[in-house]
This record gives sequence, C-alpha cells and structure tokens, in this order.
Amino acid sequence: KAGVTQTPRYLIKTRGQQVTLSCSPISGHRSVSWYQQTPGQGLQFLFEYFSETQRNKGNFPGRFSGRQFSNSRSEMNVSTLELGDSALYLCASSWGPTLGGQPQHFGDGTRLSIL
Amino acid sequence: GQQLNQSPQSMFIQEGEDVSMNCTSSSIFNTWLWYKQDPGEGPVLLIALYKAGELTSNGRLTAQFGITRKDSFLNISASIPSDVGIYFCAGQLDAGGTSYGKLTFGQGTILTVHP
Repeated sequence: KAGVTQTPRYLIKTRGQQVTLSCSPISGHRSVSWYQQTPGQGLQFLFEYFSETQRNKGNFPGRFSGRQFSNSRSEMNVSTLELGDSALYLCASSWGPTLGGQPQHFGDGTRLSIL
Repeated sequence: GQQLNQSPQSMFIQEGEDVSMNCTSSSIFNTWLWYKQDPGEGPVLLIALYKAGELTSNGRLTAQFGITRKDSFLNISASIPSDVGIYFCAGQLDAGGTSYGKLTFGQGTILTVHP
C-alpha cells in the first residue's frame, strides 16, 4: 500500500517568492493535515482539509494557505517567502470523517530553504 | 501555543538496555500517538492509544495512555542500534472543530544506542 507522497523533496527559493508544495495521501484517506517542522519550534500544525474543505487552521499568517482536490490530494502555498519559512513541511493523512480514533500517517516532507 | 512536555530530551544507552520516555500535558487528550523520526524522513507511527489506561505493545515497544488522560509513556525493551532516532509523542484534543486533524507534539527524545 503506497504511503503519503510529498513533492518535491527539496526546494530552494529566495525571499519574496512564492512556493507550492504537493501531497498525495494514502489511498482511501480523506483528511490531510500539514505541519511545519523547525529546530526551534518543533512540529507545528498548519491546517487540515477534509472533502475539499478546511476544517481547522493553526496560528500561522495568511501567507500560508492550502487547498484540497476532489481526489483528496492537497497543496499548500506560501507567498512572499521569508527567511524564517525555511523548514521541513510535512503532510499527514488519515481516514478523517470523525474526530479522533484514526492515526495520522506522515510523508517524508519537503525541505524548503530560503536564501 | 499548547505543548506537550516530553522527557528526557536525550538518552545515551548501551545496546540491550531498556528505555523509557514520557509526555505530560496540562490538557486532557483523547488520543495519544508515538512516532519515530529518522534523519531526512517523516515521522513513522509506532503506537496509537485511544482509551485512558490503555496499554499497547508493538514488538519491543510498549506504550500506555495515562488514566488522567494528561500523560503517556513509551518503553523500549532490549534496545538495538536501529532504535536510534528521535521519538515524538503527539496528542489530539477532543475540542470539537478546533481539534480536527491537529496533533500537538512533544519536543522529542533523541535516542542514541551504543553497540
């Protein structure tokens, strides 16, 4: 069974640019969550999508956005990149309809470096 | 934001020794998860816990959901070199819409196993 697939694995951008990251969840999973991982802040929740709707959002500025498609694939976008956006961005999927009772499975992430 | 207090931050042990790590929170969680992350990879789910008092094993790993629902521990017995990595606890609140897809993570325990 294929796991969560994130593309690209590595990305280098400069300040002010924008970036789009992609996530394909495990087949049958309809919930996709995004996290930012940095050495200083650890793993921080960005947002969650289910059935093409954002159900929850973390404490990140509006420059961070996302969407989910009808096939459950998800993208996240970061506009006007800042040096502090350098991080590992992780996507996790779960079955999703109910709260709790379903573990999240993670992809290997996209390593974003801002120059 | 909300955090889980995970301890210890790091452990240096000899192969064959047992390991114990734990997480505590000021909030009640309805789900506790334990993940392991290797360099350059995403977190891999080790054990999922859904009921207070629940004790679950996965090979040499054993984890428990605290009866107060505010803590959890993970034990690794007879450690081997491939146990090296960063172990994270994660919890999910039962707080309606603000909980969907959102895991709160501990700071991680870095495990080093000497052969």
